[in-house]
Amino acid sequence: GDSVTQMEGPVTLSEEACLTINCTYTATGYPSLFWYVQYPGEGLQLLLKATKADDKGSNKGFEATYRKETTSFHLEKGSVQVSDSAVYFCALSPANAGGTSYGKLTFGQGTILTVHP
Amino acid sequence: KAGVTQTPRYLIKTRGQQVTLSCSPISGHRSVSWYQQTPGQGLQFLFEYFSETQRNKGNFPGRFSGRQFSNSRSEMNVSTLELGDSALYLCASSSFGGVTEAFFGQGTRLTVV
Repeated sequence: GDSVTQMEGPVTLSEEACLTINCTYTATGYPSLFWYVQYPGEGLQLLLKATKADDKGSNKGFEATYRKETTSFHLEKGSVQVSDSAVYFCALSPANAGGTSYGKLTFGQGTILTVHP
Repeated sequence: KAGVTQTPRYLIKTRGQQVTLSCSPISGHRSVSWYQQTPGQGLQFLFEYFSETQRNKGNFPGRFSGRQFSNSRSEMNVSTLELGDSALYLCASSSFGGVTEAFFGQGTRLTVV
């Protein structure tokens, strides 16, 4: 079945440092890929997405590129801020909706990011 | 437009009781999915409803059930609560429940004592 693997956390950085959170996936065909962010006490917010190979999703300074050859979707940011402290989830949605795929996102285990001033 | 609304935000229940959680999706969205989030298991898919029909179900016992109304609002019910049911329950709304992105509510924090 489909699966998503994220780098082990937690990740602790100083403000303005560079961020990379690794994400690899296992799925058939060309799934859609997402990064969600969860702030303390909140639900998940969609950060960015990519729906086909070589697509680059970007938002709020974060970027991720859909790499079919390495089945990866790593999250990057050039300069993190204290306000970026949150839990980040990589997720995939199957290539074709139907059957056991309807409405189901498969998530990685989440990576806790803490940014210090 | 308004986002996904989940009520209540917090609940405390006793073992053996039952509980009903509510989710109002984004206007125009017909698919509602439910997830359970715990520190140990992460985010696990419960079920998905589309146009009042359950189309998909995760690997949870029959104590977990749901339904969807004609206005796309959804409820999930957990009967005979166990301590292990303590979790954040998240609802996600999407247009068709297929490959499109999902929008999440803030969740209902259920504590079973």
